[in-house]
Amino acid sequence: GAVVSQHPSWVICKSGTSVKIECRSLDFQATTMFWYRQFPKQSLMLMATSNEGSKATYEQGVEKDKFLINHASLTLSTLTVTSAHPEDSSFYICSAGLAGGLRYEQFFGPGTRLTVL
Amino acid sequence: GQQLNQSPQSMFIQEGEDVSMNCTSSSIFNTWLWYKQDPGEGPVLLIALYKAGELTSNGRLTAQFGITRKDSFLNISASIPSDVGIYFCAGHRQGGKLIFGQGTELSVKP
Repeated sequence: GAVVSQHPSWVICKSGTSVKIECRSLDFQATTMFWYRQFPKQSLMLMATSNEGSKATYEQGVEKDKFLINHASLTLSTLTVTSAHPEDSSFYICSAGLAGGLRYEQFFGPGTRLTVL
Repeated sequence: GQQLNQSPQSMFIQEGEDVSMNCTSSSIFNTWLWYKQDPGEGPVLLIALYKAGELTSNGRLTAQFGITRKDSFLNISASIPSDVGIYFCAGHRQGGKLIFGQGTELSVKP
């Protein structure tokens, strides 16, 4: 099956620092990757769509200068939380889309727990 | 953003019982996906559905793509303790983004 990895699985940082999260598709090439944020007991909230070789598309209300996304290759997308603050503490999950004809599947990474002190 | 109506929100059942949950939408989807999420983990894809009326099984799990293309259900037969988790439905239209349900939290009493 399609596997998506995420690193790190958890990170604790001080307020004001930046944190980078990596998302890799291990056994397939993903032209499109997605970044989600999830609060406890809630569904996934799409933050942005990351397209290989072009700028990410951000959802309404998500600050693009705060959450920098880079999709430099067909297997790697990164999310950098800049100048993190305690309110940025959350569970961040990436995913990669796999399309073929009329079929579509989206595979998720294991998530990154970010805690900002 | 748009969300699907997923019900029930939570279920507390006895081991061995069957479970049923469903999702409805006001608009049509080309694809329905069902995921399970364990605490502290990312969602894992259980079943993908692509045709109206399609019924697909994965072990003890069975899911159907509604005839109207606006709904889908997931059944779990003979539940076991490891079925515990949150189940999400998600709808997709070609070229669009995944739209998620609110999730169904399943608890299984041994």
